[in-house]
Amino acid sequence: KNEVEQSPQNLTAQEGEFITINCSYSVGISALHWLQQHPGGGIVSLFMLSSGKKKHGRLIATINIQEKHSSLHITASHPRDSAVYICAVDDFGNEKLTFGTGTRLTIIP
Amino acid sequence: DTGVSQDPRHKITKRGQNVTFRCDPISEHNRLYWYRQTLGQGPEFLTYFQNEAQLEKSRLLSDRFSAERPKGSFSTLEIQRTEQGDSAMYLCASSSPRSGGTEAFFGQGTRLTVV
Repeated sequence: KNEVEQSPQNLTAQEGEFITINCSYSVGISALHWLQQHPGGGIVSLFMLSSGKKKHGRLIATINIQEKHSSLHITASHPRDSAVYICAVDDFGNEKLTFGTGTRLTIIP
Repeated sequence: DTGVSQDPRHKITKRGQNVTFRCDPISEHNRLYWYRQTLGQGPEFLTYFQNEAQLEKSRLLSDRFSAERPKGSFSTLEIQRTEQGDSAMYLCASSSPRSGGTEAFFGQGTRLTVV
């Protein structure tokens, strides 16, 4: 079973700061997902990666397959970015995901 | 299509009662997943369907839990004789395989409280 670890567990930053959230996993994967969860529970998919780097607006996700590590970056952070960010891995390409415990991000105005 | 829909959003039930949750996936998605999330934890896999076939069940899915997807469209998750430990957020997701990998789309979840 894949073990997914995220760091940090909690992160508080000032508006405008550059944010990095890290994810590592133990076993080779088909794809890695970064997800955002707001209070109330709904989960939104941000990125799905199998290699390299993806960018969407102020969000950037990278993955290093050899090191079994991924990072999510947020540039010019804003209070509306406050949420729990969850890393999840797909071991076999069937979208059955194994999740990390999440990083709670709070951006202070 | 407005995305994955779950009903109800919240359910409070007394211990020992049966509850049933419904998930309506995105219409063209043939894969449907159920996850459970307890407070402060990431979601954990429960079961998934490809069309109407239930392909895998987690050991978390005790014999009090049953899931169905009778026509390969919506799915139901039933918990019989609920226990306080069943209190959690139950999340549904759907996807459709395509080349290059597949993104999963999640519903808003059903928050169950067993009192």
